[in-house]
Amino acid sequence: SQQGEEDPQALSIQEGENATMNCSYKTSINNLQWYRQNSGRGLVHLILIRSNEREKHSGRLRVTLDTSKKSSSLLITASRAADTASYFCATVSMKAGTALIFGKGTTLSVSS
Amino acid sequence: ETGVTQSPTHLIKTRGQQVTLRCSSQSGHNTVSWYQQALGQGPQFIFQYYREEENGRGNFPPRFSGLQFPNYSSELNVNALELDDSALYLCASSSLAGGNEQFFGPGTRLTVL
Repeated sequence: SQQGEEDPQALSIQEGENATMNCSYKTSINNLQWYRQNSGRGLVHLILIRSNEREKHSGRLRVTLDTSKKSSSLLITASRAADTASYFCATVSMKAGTALIFGKGTTLSVSS
Repeated sequence: ETGVTQSPTHLIKTRGQQVTLRCSSQSGHNTVSWYQQALGQGPQFIFQYYREEENGRGNFPPRFSGLQFPNYSSELNVNALELDDSALYLCASSSLAGGNEQFFGPGTRLTVL
């Protein structure tokens, strides 16, 4: 079963704009990760935020985590056409070892 | 450093047949996980192997089984294929010391007719 939901399901923006995706989850977590997937191929790890962290940055990516609301957001600044992909949040449960539990994803389309 | 590889890339089977998918882990990784991704959905956890032992299993029936070998490569076997088994099967390797970040292969696209 899916752990949570990403919102929105689809997002279309212009190059240079910022893209924000949200993720909600259901159970207590050890950490939360964001992955990108291009055209139904393998997933690429973007960033990991631990349950005791509130915000993390990596290049043009900013992730926040609110464990009280069981939610996270991914911000991509100054989007490029190459950012066009599906983005998934994945949680690592405190009970389920290191298995990743994914949401359904947000499909981002960046047009030039 | 060699990344995660999977074979074959695509596979077409008929209902009732059996299939074996293969995965080579990234160098230095001792944990491999398998995921099933149906079209338009997020990946669903099938099971995980750590040092050749099953280390967790998702909500999949016993006809989904796996193996991990001493070189940490892995197989996913599916018996009695059903139409709903059509999906992208993803293998991911990780090191338990690596903070749970997983490195994914490109996947095997299985079509069951």
